[in-house]
Amino acid sequence: KQEVTQIPAALSVPEGENLVLNCSFTDSAIYNLQWFRQDPGKGLTSLLLIQSSQREQTSGRLNASLDKSSGRSTLYIAASQPGDSATYLCAVSAQGGSEKLVFGKGTKLTVNP
Amino acid sequence: DVKVTQSSRYLVKRTGEKVFLECVQDMDHENMFWYRQDPGLGLRLIYFSYDVKMKEKGDIPEGYSVSREKKERFSLILESASTNQTSMYLCASSLCQADQKENTEAFFGQGTRLTVV
Repeated sequence: KQEVTQIPAALSVPEGENLVLNCSFTDSAIYNLQWFRQDPGKGLTSLLLIQSSQREQTSGRLNASLDKSSGRSTLYIAASQPGDSATYLCAVSAQGGSEKLVFGKGTKLTVNP
Repeated sequence: DVKVTQSSRYLVKRTGEKVFLECVQDMDHENMFWYRQDPGLGLRLIYFSYDVKMKEKGDIPEGYSVSREKKERFSLILESASTNQTSMYLCASSLCQADQKENTEAFFGQGTRLTVV
């Protein structure tokens, strides 16, 4: 059974710092990996999707990498801002069935002004 | 832009009531999903549907049922609400691309915070 782990569970950094969020998964047979952002009490916003055949994806100050063979992904946030404060979730779409997602429990990021 | 809309942001229901949570998507997606999110447990899949009138159980289907009569609408039904069903409920949809599953991106609604008293 696919399991997804995110470390750390919470992270607090000063504004302007570059930071890395980690995601690991137990079964490398995936179609893709998505990173989401969730603000308190809200739904999920898709940030980046990395296909299993890709190594990385970039969107603005965000860069996500994928090492499928080792079951790891990282989300790099450059020059963090207070508005980046949110919970970041990663999810994998497992092969062998429908395109349902298996989620990690998230990393709660606080960027202090 | 894909839009997934859940009918209510907040709901308060009494124990034993039958509760309907509605979700509508406007992008002609085949796949639709219902998750619940609880502190410390993360997001857990309740049910999903890959076509009209088709449904499959997720990881925690007990106490829930679903209905998909039209492609754009996926309803979650709590037959007899209980206090342990107090949670945040999230609906999602994605396009079914049999030959491009790597490119399938999921989109979520804004969530429904359900409180059962």
